[in-house]
Amino acid sequence: EADIYQTPRYLVIGTGKKITLECSQTMGHDKMYWYQQDPGMELHLIHYSYGVNSTEKGDLSSESTVSRIRTEHFPLTLESARPSHTSQYLCASSDVRGKQFFGPGTRLTVL
Amino acid sequence: KNQVEQSPQSLIILEGKNCTLQCNYTVSPFSNLRWYKQDTGRGPVSLTIMTFSENTKSNGRYTATLDADTKQSSLHITASQLSDSASYICVVTDRGSTLGRLYFGRGTQLTVWP
Repeated sequence: EADIYQTPRYLVIGTGKKITLECSQTMGHDKMYWYQQDPGMELHLIHYSYGVNSTEKGDLSSESTVSRIRTEHFPLTLESARPSHTSQYLCASSDVRGKQFFGPGTRLTVL
Repeated sequence: KNQVEQSPQSLIILEGKNCTLQCNYTVSPFSNLRWYKQDTGRGPVSLTIMTFSENTKSNGRYTATLDADTKQSSLHITASQLSDSASYICVVTDRGSTLGRLYFGRGTQLTVWP
């Protein structure tokens, strides 16, 4: 069982609100990732980090931002949520062999 | 363009039966291929990982095969159980980037009926 956690698990919020999705891992992994997944579709990488103070945008353009101030913590922020942001957001970290461990996900609905 | 294609898109089988899921990829240069199981509303969980030199890997009732020449992989599930109902995702890693970029298939949605 992977030690990677996401909160909240479910979030319903109105348009224009600022939200932060939390992700933390206790495995000491340097690499962390955020993916976006719509129902029945593949995961799309939106952000990744090699370590503290390192963040990069992924393949899928996203209006969200991330920060990596501590190794164990990789929060994702949406400054102004819109209905188009409705999706499932999965956080992951990887060990030195590249095996990825996923959190349970946050299902976001923007009304 | 690096791609991962999975088939079938969905599959329904009766409890106790076997099934095989397919994955074709064009990712190059190839590093490894993983099969993940994703329960509804949860994050994916790794089942198997295979590198270029491996052509079979088992994890309990799950057996994955890899043909690196034809760029095909399969996941065979034996004696299916109700708890096997999930989406099975094929993920291929390239070794051409520092990140070790992952390419995800859309998954096969497996439903096991009693």
